[in-house]
Amino acid sequence: GAVVSQHPSWVICKSGTSVKIECRSLDFQATTMFWYRQFPKQSLMLMATSNEGSKATYEQGVEKDKFLINHASLTLSTLTVTSAHPEDSSFYICSARGTADTQYFGPGTRLTVL
Amino acid sequence: QKEVEQNSGPLSVPEGAIASLNCTYSDRGSQSFFWYRQYSGKSPELIMSIYSNGDKEDGRFTAQLNKASQYVSLLIRDSQPSDSATYLCAVNSPSGNQFYFGTGTSLTVIP
Repeated sequence: GAVVSQHPSWVICKSGTSVKIECRSLDFQATTMFWYRQFPKQSLMLMATSNEGSKATYEQGVEKDKFLINHASLTLSTLTVTSAHPEDSSFYICSARGTADTQYFGPGTRLTVL
Repeated sequence: QKEVEQNSGPLSVPEGAIASLNCTYSDRGSQSFFWYRQYSGKSPELIMSIYSNGDKEDGRFTAQLNKASQYVSLLIRDSQPSDSATYLCAVNSPSGNQFYFGTGTSLTVIP
């Protein structure tokens, strides 16, 4: 149980394009999902907390207009990187909060912006 | 002061030894504590959760919690090369709305 999927697992795009990443909780409902970014050999960095049916809460320094988050249902949250640039290349990981406040992570999406 | 602190390591232990990973947290009201393992290039996976003072064992893993000292640890018995990874300590805020990760401890098990 407590499986979280992400799609796509990796994506390469041209600078200036937008990329959408989906995060799904497959066997449980998640009112709260989290989006993280991780650069090579660095720690997880929380970008935003996504609550179903309401606006996401962004961490300081994260541009909400650049990283659009939509949590439209109890099993799906999406992150759209708008007008992506090479510095946005990173490993994006979502997690969903399950029972007992446990976070379950998706497998991650590796984004490369050319 | 960071909410969760871990020694970044690297920690190296020989195969078959006990690996001890430590974590301290700042918010005395925290109630939920987690250990995650992250292999290079992969996302974190949950190893154990612990909510009460004392020890909790699951196979070769034992989590230890001491709320008075604000200290959480993870022991890995009979360490295997496949245990080589970064181990992340995570703590919930008292409200449950925030989830704080440590920076992780890199463990290498030497065959």
